[in-house]
Order: sequence, then C-alpha cells, then structure tokens
Amino acid sequence: DVKVTQSSRYLVKRTGEKVFLECVQDMDHENMFWYRQDPGLGLRLIYFSYDVKMKEKGDIPEGYSVSREKKERFSLILESASTNQTSMYLCASLVRGALGTEAFFGQGTRLTVV
Amino acid sequence: QKEVEQDPGPLSVPEGAIVSLNCTYSNSAFQYFMWYRQYSRKGPELLMYTYSSGNKEDGRFTAQVDKSSKYISLFIRDSQPSDSATYLCAMSDGAGGTSYGKLTFGQGTILTVHP
Repeated sequence: DVKVTQSSRYLVKRTGEKVFLECVQDMDHENMFWYRQDPGLGLRLIYFSYDVKMKEKGDIPEGYSVSREKKERFSLILESASTNQTSMYLCASLVRGALGTEAFFGQGTRLTVV
Repeated sequence: QKEVEQDPGPLSVPEGAIVSLNCTYSNSAFQYFMWYRQYSRKGPELLMYTYSSGNKEDGRFTAQVDKSSKYISLFIRDSQPSDSATYLCAMSDGAGGTSYGKLTFGQGTILTVHP
C-alpha cells in the first residue's frame, strides 16, 4: 500500500512564526503536491513538485514556499504564519499510469495560527 | 467562475436512498475524472476513476461523465450510514504537459446517511 505520511496531525502556532509541514511518501513517486482545504472552498493547490529540487506554484502560493531535497520528502513552509493560514493542509503524491493519474493523500495537518 | 463547481450540499438522506452527487466544469482539456471520499479527520481516498465520457460501475457506486455537457455525477445506490463522508470530484487534463497531472477539485459535498 502507498503510504503518505504527514509529520503532524494538529499544530498550533503563533502569528509571525515560521512553520514547517513535512510530508514523506514511500512509493518513489515523482510528483508531490500541497493543498489546503477550507469549508466551502474544497482543495486548493499551493505548490507542487515534479522532481527533486523542482517546484511549481499552484493556485494560491502567496505566503508559502516549499522544499524538495529528496524524492520522498516534500516540505511546505509558512514564512511568517498569519491567522488566514489557519486551515487543513493535505499532502499528496501522484502516480502516472496508462489510464492517467492517481493521487494518494496523507492524513492531513490541521494548523491553527493564533 | 471556478474551473470545477460542485453542488455544495450538505445532503442528508435515509438509509437505502439513492444519492446523486454532481459537478460541472469549464476546462475542456479535462480528460480524467475522479471521485474521492473523505471521512472526518482523514485525507481523501480515491473512490472512482473514469476516463473520458461514459459510465463506470463499482458495486453500489456508478460514475457518469458527459463531456459534451461538461458534467459528471456519482450515484450511490442503497446508501449506508458508512457512506457518510465528504465527497470530492476531481479532474485532470492527463499525465503529460506542464500540469504534471495535477488535480483540480470541486468544493466537496458533505453526505450524511441516517439509519
């Protein structure tokens, strides 16, 4: 079974702190994604990476950065946390096959910024 | 206008009911259509996967895609309390190109099936 593991289930951080969210996958997938999920808005793509050290902005990258130093690990960084970044953060790795793509998600990190 | 619009719900039905969940989309490049199910405090899990137009059935679940109308549906027959979850439609323009297979999601519909 594919396993995508996010380092924390729940986090509480203060405004202005630098926050690191870690994600590790065990299936040697090339593509990894960070989404945030908010009520009524669904999942919105923050950043994705298609290879080590390669990254692309998603739909809402402002206030975030990412790091992919190893293939299995994709980190999301909140440079200076703000209350509007309180959300559920979901990491996914993606496999591409003959029939298209399938994304495997971690269990999510619920971040509260106070 | 969002690329993918999903009926927001929430939806509450009695056990045994037929449930219909729907999404519309605007990007004609989408070729792969998925439904994810997300239980409370968990990440989404792939439920159904369809390529291009047509129907796909898996047990009590049927996914329909109408590319001419840019409309997809998920039907759940004989719904059970264990089906209570958030259902998310997702779409992709494929495995190649600069999208790298990224998925675009609908807003999600919260479904509750009560005994």
